[in-house]
Amino acid sequence: DTGVSQDPRHKITKRGQNVTFRCDPISEHNRLYWYRQTLGQGPEFLTYFQNEAQLEKSRLLSDRFSAERPKGSFSTLEIQRTEQGDSAMYLCASSLPRPGGTSGQPSGGANVLTFGAGSRLTVL
Amino acid sequence: GDSVTQMEGPVTLSEEAFLTINCTYTATGYPSLFWYVQYPGEGLQLLLKATKADDKGSNKGFEATYRKETTSFHLEKGSVQVSDSAVYFCALSRNTGGFKTIFGAGTRLFVKA
Repeated sequence: DTGVSQDPRHKITKRGQNVTFRCDPISEHNRLYWYRQTLGQGPEFLTYFQNEAQLEKSRLLSDRFSAERPKGSFSTLEIQRTEQGDSAMYLCASSLPRPGGTSGQPSGGANVLTFGAGSRLTVL
Repeated sequence: GDSVTQMEGPVTLSEEAFLTINCTYTATGYPSLFWYVQYPGEGLQLLLKATKADDKGSNKGFEATYRKETTSFHLEKGSVQVSDSAVYFCALSRNTGGFKTIFGAGTRLFVKA
């Protein structure tokens, strides 16, 4: 397995343009997460999927942001009408819930994330 | 809501010094706690974890103990190396009712030879 892949690694765009990022998770993982990280800060949660269902979205995810995971495998994150404030590293992570317990987590289980290298967005 | 607070950096140490990076959390229930590390030019990766009170997570000489009474998960290492220079993130994740992981702001560690 090659881990979590993200593409492109770096995108430079002009304000007002649309951009799309792709994430290919580890194939056995059914949860996929998007985070945003700015310089000097920790990753901020944007949204996550279990299989193809988008189960939670952060208030950070404005209506210009949309994420999809159509077949429960790869995911895309699109930002429409980009603004300079969108400049950040966009991180994708995946995880595998262990069998047993409620919601797929056994007593004492932990949801460990495997991250991709990230897609850096620069909006000019 | 859930949150994680960790000590601000940067932390600069000489090789073989003792390291402590403080982390406290706010959460209802019993979250799992993690330390992730980001080495220069690399993605975030799990360093260690603990899933219940009094558990000790350990890896690569680093340790952290889940203290529910003080809501803390401090990272320690007895003797740091130059190769430990990185950014360290404390994080928590609920085990039920939603599985997002909340991260602290990160603490940059510089280790001098």
